[in-house]
Amino acid sequence: GQNIDQPTEMTATEGAIVQINCTYQTSGFNGLFWYQQHAGEAPTFLSYNVLDGLEEKGRFSSFLSRSKGYSYLLLKELQMKDSASYLCAVRSYDYKLSFGAGTTVTVRA
Amino acid sequence: DVKVTQSSRYLVKRTGEKVFLECVQDMDHENMFWYRQDPGLGLRLIYFSYDVKMKEKGDIPEGYSVSREKKERFSLILESASTNQTSMYLCAAATGASTYEQYFGPGTRLTVT
Repeated sequence: GQNIDQPTEMTATEGAIVQINCTYQTSGFNGLFWYQQHAGEAPTFLSYNVLDGLEEKGRFSSFLSRSKGYSYLLLKELQMKDSASYLCAVRSYDYKLSFGAGTTVTVRA
Repeated sequence: DVKVTQSSRYLVKRTGEKVFLECVQDMDHENMFWYRQDPGLGLRLIYFSYDVKMKEKGDIPEGYSVSREKKERFSLILESASTNQTSMYLCAAATGASTYEQYFGPGTRLTVT
């Protein structure tokens, strides 16, 4: 099975940078995903890492270290609309996703 | 963009009722999933399906069953609803391509009284 840990809540100021960490212990690793979920809405795909290193996509970047079982999602130039829950999910070899409990990010003016 | 729709946004049922949650996707994706989402627990996989008439148990299948008679439709069935099945239910669809990202429907908030 998978054990995925991420902080419950984070607060940051508009325009700042926030880093959301995710650690995992897995019986089989086949990729790591980050999803964004606004309150009352469905999760939407943000990023995917399968190899070590940094993937950058606009204001969002995601990093993976497979040897450490560690990933982070970096949100730069925070905007009010970035207030949401961010879900870390690990994919196993049978293509199932296991999700962390999610990190609620609150952006303050 | 893949569109995944679910039959109801909100549903209220009584204990013991049989409940059907329907999910339809419009992009011919092979793989479909049912999750429930509860505060502090995240999304937990109930069942998934790789193809028509195929189903696999997820992490919490007890009290649920599924049906996939057509590629675009994946149904979750609560044979006898119980109050501990009050939750947000999310359906997702994914291709077999390399990224295999999952596209989620809007969710059904089920309350069992």
